[in-house]
Amino acid sequence: EAQVTQNPRYLITVTGKKLTVTCSQNMNHEYMSWYRQDPGLGLRQIYYSMNVEVTDKGDVPEGYKVSRKEKRNFPLILESPSPNQTSLYFCASSLYERVGTGTGEQYFGPGTRLTVT
Amino acid sequence: SQQGEEDPQALSIQEGENATMNCSYKTSINNLQWYRQNSGRGLVHLILIRSNEREKHSGRLRVTLDTSKKSSSLLITASRAADTASYFCATDYDYKLSFGAGTTVTVRA
Repeated sequence: EAQVTQNPRYLITVTGKKLTVTCSQNMNHEYMSWYRQDPGLGLRQIYYSMNVEVTDKGDVPEGYKVSRKEKRNFPLILESPSPNQTSLYFCASSLYERVGTGTGEQYFGPGTRLTVT
Repeated sequence: SQQGEEDPQALSIQEGENATMNCSYKTSINNLQWYRQNSGRGLVHLILIRSNEREKHSGRLRVTLDTSKKSSSLLITASRAADTASYFCATDYDYKLSFGAGTTVTVRA
């Protein structure tokens, strides 16, 4: 089954304790991205990756890191989490068609609900 | 930056009625996409309309795009209880996807 998986689904942690949220897709997609969703703000893009070893900042990258060492995986790292990073996080992937036509249909993971106290 | 802005924020309709929601955006786009989200779950892609297209249909969904007005609309015809969800537009440009805050649609039985 084609899917995007995220782990963990729920996480409660304390300020300053490094954490990693994993994201994996089995569709051989080049494009992967991370979003956070907060009430009333919709989804905001944190980082995206066009392919292995190619990453770039989205609209809200501060406090986050990513890496893309393999095509299927795109982990999100919070090196020193703070309470303002409490949010619902989504990973997504897509097979963008060709240059100039955009990122294409996104396949979203089920989300990770993170609480930082 | 939040590109797309949906209107209205919330919509309540009777089963069988049509639901229309609008999306306005500010800059250039390669395409515009609509997604549905049920209660904090992952988003599901509904339809993608390219910048050179004006209208697109998929089942009970109809999307229009007016690039001169920088706006799009999503029409759901003959709504069902299962259409109750939040709907988001997303502008796709330069490999970045920007979502609006969404329209919450409630379909009453």
